Amino acid sequence: GAVVSQHPSRVICKSGTSVKIECRSLDFQATTMFWYRQFPKQSLMLMATSNEGSKATYEQGVEKDKFLINHASLTLSTLTVTSAHPEDSSFYICSASRVDLATEAFFGQGTRLTVV
Amino acid sequence: AQSVTQPDIHITVSEGASLELRCNYSYGATPYLFWYVQSPGQGLQLLLKYFSGDTLVQGIKGFEAEFKRSQSSFNLRKPSVHWSDAAEYFCAVGGLTGGGNKLTFGTGTQLKVEL
Repeated sequence: GAVVSQHPSRVICKSGTSVKIECRSLDFQATTMFWYRQFPKQSLMLMATSNEGSKATYEQGVEKDKFLINHASLTLSTLTVTSAHPEDSSFYICSASRVDLATEAFFGQGTRLTVV
Repeated sequence: AQSVTQPDIHITVSEGASLELRCNYSYGATPYLFWYVQSPGQGLQLLLKYFSGDTLVQGIKGFEAEFKRSQSSFNLRKPSVHWSDAAEYFCAVGGLTGGGNKLTFGTGTQLKVEL
């Protein structure tokens, strides 16, 4: 199988605080994971590519100091939204590919972030 | 750069009627194409994918899609829609980067099913 687990599924935080979202590949190793963001009634937009053991690659317009990505192992990538503001409220979802099957993209269930 | 166009933002069909959701892509090489479905507040469920081979791809829930290189299209079809098919549908094109497939999504098509 190829299961990707994302935690938490929902989080509410106060403006100015930081929130960490985890993306785990449960039964496979993933050298690369991707983080997407979806605003209400919009499509999914790639935020960054997370590479195990190296710095993440951010898409144009995504603030790397605000959205910290750490990919410390072959099964875990984390996205930390720092100093969150209401405009950061969104649906964040990750995907991962197996090392031996890079063409497949397995998605987590997503995290609904609400900043109040 | 890769891109995906879903020209229909909203589509309404009657239950039991046939369905076709359009998707056009732009990609420099042989594309990896996907269709996902998303219910409100939920994550993405993969319906089907095309990497190579037979251009008519069968997926889950009775969906199929046909890859037409000459038209740069990957339209999703279902012969008879069920009320439970009401959801948002996303077409995506993938590009391999590093050890993974980076997806570019279309804007989505919201499907409403009338009983």
